[in-house]
Amino acid sequence: AQKVTQAQTEISVVEKEDVTLDCVYETRDTTYYLFWYKQPPSGELVFLIRRNSFDEQNEISGRYSWNFQKSTSSFNFTITASQVVDSAVYFCALREPQGAQKLVFGQGTRLTINP
Amino acid sequence: EPEVTQTPSHQVTQMGQEVILRCVPISNHLYFYWYRQILGQKVEFLVSFYNNEISEKSEIFDDQFSVERPDGSNFTLKIRSTKLEDSAMYFCASSDGSRETQYFGPGTRLLVL
Repeated sequence: AQKVTQAQTEISVVEKEDVTLDCVYETRDTTYYLFWYKQPPSGELVFLIRRNSFDEQNEISGRYSWNFQKSTSSFNFTITASQVVDSAVYFCALREPQGAQKLVFGQGTRLTINP
Repeated sequence: EPEVTQTPSHQVTQMGQEVILRCVPISNHLYFYWYRQILGQKVEFLVSFYNNEISEKSEIFDDQFSVERPDGSNFTLKIRSTKLEDSAMYFCASSDGSRETQYFGPGTRLLVL
């Protein structure tokens, strides 16, 4: 069965600090997709990134970067120079390659950036 | 930029009542999903829908739940007889033919009293 673990329930940092959110996944599939979604206080789910299992290249988008390591089944998310607007719950998710391709979410990490 | 929309944003109902949650997926998308998030918990898959039929459903999606695409644009989730434990945020999502990414709507917060 597929499983996503986000061990950090809550993280609190001061603005401008760098912060890394951890995500570890389990799957028997050799092909799969990993995602990060942001849930701000308003409640919606905002898509941030998708990563295919066959592409281990790290990605950077502005202050956001993602480190995908297949060897450790991890897909960590780093925010550099954090800002108050980054405060949200962040979900890591795994998508099965077959069937309906539903998303399996982790428990989420609540990130609070203090001014 | 196209987006998924959901109505209502909030719904309060009495236990045992029927509720219908509405979603308008992105117009050229083919795959539709409902997910649920109980307050403070993770997002859970309920059901997926393609080609006018359910393609997969979870254990949560029992006989009290149903989905429908009544016309070319709307996608609805009906709960026939609500229970207290149905209180949650319900998210609709859609994806295009590649199914690479699911885009979520803003959610409907359902409170059953």
